Amino acid sequence: DAKTTQPPSMDCAEGRAANLPCNHSTISGNEYVYWYRQIHSQGPQYIIHGLKNNETNEMASLIITEDRKSSTLILPHATLRDTAVYYCIVRVGYGGYNKLIFGAGTRLAVHP
Amino acid sequence: DTEVTQTPKHLVMGMTNKKSLKCEQHMGHRAMYWYKQKAKKPPELMFVYSYEKLSINESVPSRFSPECPNSSLLNLHLHALQPEDSALYLCASSLQLGGSGNTIYFGEGSWLTVV
Repeated sequence: DAKTTQPPSMDCAEGRAANLPCNHSTISGNEYVYWYRQIHSQGPQYIIHGLKNNETNEMASLIITEDRKSSTLILPHATLRDTAVYYCIVRVGYGGYNKLIFGAGTRLAVHP
Repeated sequence: DTEVTQTPKHLVMGMTNKKSLKCEQHMGHRAMYWYKQKAKKPPELMFVYSYEKLSINESVPSRFSPECPNSSLLNLHLHALQPEDSALYLCASSLQLGGSGNTIYFGEGSWLTVV
C-alpha cells in the first residue's frame, strides 16, 4: 500500500472550514484514498473515501487532485467536536487484502 | 447501522491470567479485524479473518490467540501477557476482505491494562 504524508498538527477556528492535506505521491491506479478520524479514547470513525472523483457526504468533502498524488479533506464548518486525529490512508480496494494501514495522522484542534 | 460492539470496555489482568476480548457485529460483514493501539500511536493491524478463516497474522506473538466462532463474532484470547501489551484493542469489520471501496468500520475498543 502507498504511504501518506500529513502535517502533524493543525488549528482551525470554530465555524470556519478545516482543510486537511494529504500527500500520496506513490498511489497506484487501484488504490482508494480513505479518511478516518479518532476522537480521544474512541475507535476510529470512517469519514469518506474516493478513487478519482471528488466526493461529498454529510460529514465532509474529499478533493483528489487530477494526478491523484494528493488530496484534501474539507470539514466545511468545523465545531469543537471535530477536534481529533485525522488519518489519511490509501489502500487496495480490490483484488487484494483489505488492509488498512494507519500513518501518524494530523491532530486537528478546533478552538472557539 | 454500522455498529461493532466490543466487550469489555476496560480490562485489568495479571501476567498469569487468561482473559478474552469479544467483538460482535450484525451487519452481515464477512471480514473482521483486530488492531492494537498504544498511547499516542496509530492503530496497528494484528489479525484479519475472512469468512471465519484467519487470512492475515501480522507476526503477532502467540500469547494473543484470535478466534472467529461464527460470522458475527470475533474473540481475542489473552494469556501470559506482559505489561507492554497494555493498549487499546480495536475490533473492526467490513463486508468482505477484498472488493472495491470496501469500508472498514471500527468498534470503540477495549482498554487493556496488564499488571
